[in-house]
Amino acid sequence: DIQLTQSPSFLSASIGDRVIITCRASQGITSFLAWYQQKPGKAPKLLIFAASTLQSGVPSRFSGSGSGTEFTLTISSLQPEDFATYYCQQLNSYPITFGQGTRLEIK
Amino acid sequence: QVQLVESGGGVVQPGRSLRLSCAASGFTFNNYAMHWVRQAPGKGLEWVAGLSYDGSNKNYVDSVKGRFTVSRDNSKNTLYLQMNSLTAEDTAVYYCARPKAIAVALNWFDPWGQGTLVTVSS
Repeated sequence: DIQLTQSPSFLSASIGDRVIITCRASQGITSFLAWYQQKPGKAPKLLIFAASTLQSGVPSRFSGSGSGTEFTLTISSLQPEDFATYYCQQLNSYPITFGQGTRLEIK
Repeated sequence: QVQLVESGGGVVQPGRSLRLSCAASGFTFNNYAMHWVRQAPGKGLEWVAGLSYDGSNKNYVDSVKGRFTVSRDNSKNTLYLQMNSLTAEDTAVYYCARPKAIAVALNWFDPWGQGTLVTVSS
């Protein structure tokens, strides 16, 4: 199984900050990686797919990069609505796996 | 609009069974693979099962193999998850999710349903 490790697991930041979340895969997955945002009591929402493609309707302050085993999600200038938990997901092979999540909180 | 609505959750005793449903609308259901994902209280996301658009190919996470069965009725635009021999470790919110691309199972999930809570407790 492909393991995904996100860092950090918890992040405290301020409005306007630039934030980077990393996702490392235990083996190469080319660009078969997605990022999701989840708010309490809600279903996850697709932000980025194919490692770097912004989902329609997602603000351009979100961006993704990487390939192979190392990926990043960047939020260029944090807004109040961005405080949530973020997950990476690999779709290179079964079983589909998710990272453990990064909880982003207001400092 | 595209919509997924789960139902069938509830409280069930250990060792018993439960069947979840996911009603799809707003898209051509039989063109898409479908998946189930769960989230234990306060925990992260765990993919549970996936099913091809025609029901011919099924995949499961190891922890549910032999106990859970994913199926679909394309005439009713509905996805199912039959869960047998339930344990406390199966307690979670269960989401159904559709891949973004037609006919491709290994594809990013969009949209997701709102989830249905399954609680396994005596």
